[in-house]
Amino acid sequence: EIVLTQSPGTLSLSPGERATLSCRASQSVGSSYLAWYQQKPGQAPRLLMYGTSNRATGIPDRFSGSGSGTDFTLTISRLEPEDFAVYYCQQYGGSPPYTFGQGTKLEIK
Amino acid sequence: EVQLVESGGGLIQPGGSLRLSCAASGFTVSSNYMSWVRQAPGKGLEWVSIIYSSGNTYYADSVKGRFTISRDNSKNTLFLQMSSLRAEDTAVYFCARDAYNYCFDYWGQGTLVTVSS
Repeated sequence: EIVLTQSPGTLSLSPGERATLSCRASQSVGSSYLAWYQQKPGQAPRLLMYGTSNRATGIPDRFSGSGSGTDFTLTISRLEPEDFAVYYCQQYGGSPPYTFGQGTKLEIK
Repeated sequence: EVQLVESGGGLIQPGGSLRLSCAASGFTVSSNYMSWVRQAPGKGLEWVSIIYSSGNTYYADSVKGRFTISRDNSKNTLFLQMSSLRAEDTAVYFCARDAYNYCFDYWGQGTLVTVSS
């Protein structure tokens, strides 16, 4: 099983600041197979990025993704109030086919 | 417009059975990879099961032998039959679509399953 470890567990920032979220895999993950989601309380997750660096439909360009191999990053260039949420990375491949990281909570400082 | 609407959740005693449904609109279930993903209260996301467009199925070890994923092509609906339920199966269950991008682009709103005596 490919284990995804996200850091930090909680990130406290202010609106307008830059956020950098990390996702580290226990084995190499193909760049086509890494995605990021945003989840707000009481809501389903929302796809942000797929294939490491491709923004999903309707996702603003302040969100960007990068990385390869075992290290991947989600960057939010300038935080808006609506960006404070929990973020999950997810990979496809291996057994089981999908695994998620444990999440990073982005909270208002 | 793509929509996924789950139903069938509720309170069930340990050892009991429950069937979840996910009604899809705006796309064809049988032409996509469809999964169930769950989230225990206050916890992260856990993938549960997938049915591929080929009809092949796959399960997380935690539910293998107890849960069965299926679909009704005529109703464009996905199902999850859950049996021998345990307290640790308590979660919100989401159905989600993977349109061959190896990620979940559409999710339902979720249905809560509570396993408790």
